[in-house]
Amino acid sequence: AQSVTQPDIHITVSEGASLELRCNYSYGATPYLFWYVQSPGQGLQLLLKYFSGDTLVQGIKGFEAEFKRSQSSFNLRKPSVHWSDAAEYFCAVGVWASKIIFGSGTRLSIRP
Amino acid sequence: NAGVTQTPKFQVLKTGQSMTLQCAQDMNHNSMYWYRQDPGMGLRLIYYSASEGTTDKGEVPNGYNVSRLNKREFSLRLESAAPSQTSVYFCASRSNQETVEGEKLFFGSGTQLSVL
Repeated sequence: AQSVTQPDIHITVSEGASLELRCNYSYGATPYLFWYVQSPGQGLQLLLKYFSGDTLVQGIKGFEAEFKRSQSSFNLRKPSVHWSDAAEYFCAVGVWASKIIFGSGTRLSIRP
Repeated sequence: NAGVTQTPKFQVLKTGQSMTLQCAQDMNHNSMYWYRQDPGMGLRLIYYSASEGTTDKGEVPNGYNVSRLNKREFSLRLESAAPSQTSVYFCASRSNQETVEGEKLFFGSGTQLSVL
């Protein structure tokens, strides 16, 4: 069965520090991989996605993610976080014209 | 361009009552989805419709039914509501064009449902 695991429920980092959010998946084939962000009281916004090709993908707001096939991982990174990055982050996997499964999310808090 | 429209935004039900959540998209998308979001559990897929005329179960389909009425509309029905179905429900759609934008999910604003 397909699954997505985000092992960190809540992470707190200082403003200006680097960030890495972890995501591991289980799927029959290499799926499409996504990171979405949800700010408090808001809908979900797509940060970035991986379909094929270069395993390091760049997204909006200075985020990037690296696909590692051997580890079934798609970790999200940002070199320097801003207070406005405080939100909940969701990793998702899917294939063309089929289901898209989300992880349970990681809540990010920023320490001033 | 309205995108994905969900109704109602809020609903309170008593245990055993039934209701239908409506979802419509005006982007000519092929696939549509229903998710529920609960604290600490992320978004869980209830049902999806890969294309007009097809529906499939997701991760948590029990207690729900869906209808893909046409390409635009995808409704979610609770036949006999239970307190465990208290949640925020999101409808989403995507075009399935094999482009970066085609694989992006477009979400409705959500329905907050309480079952007492």
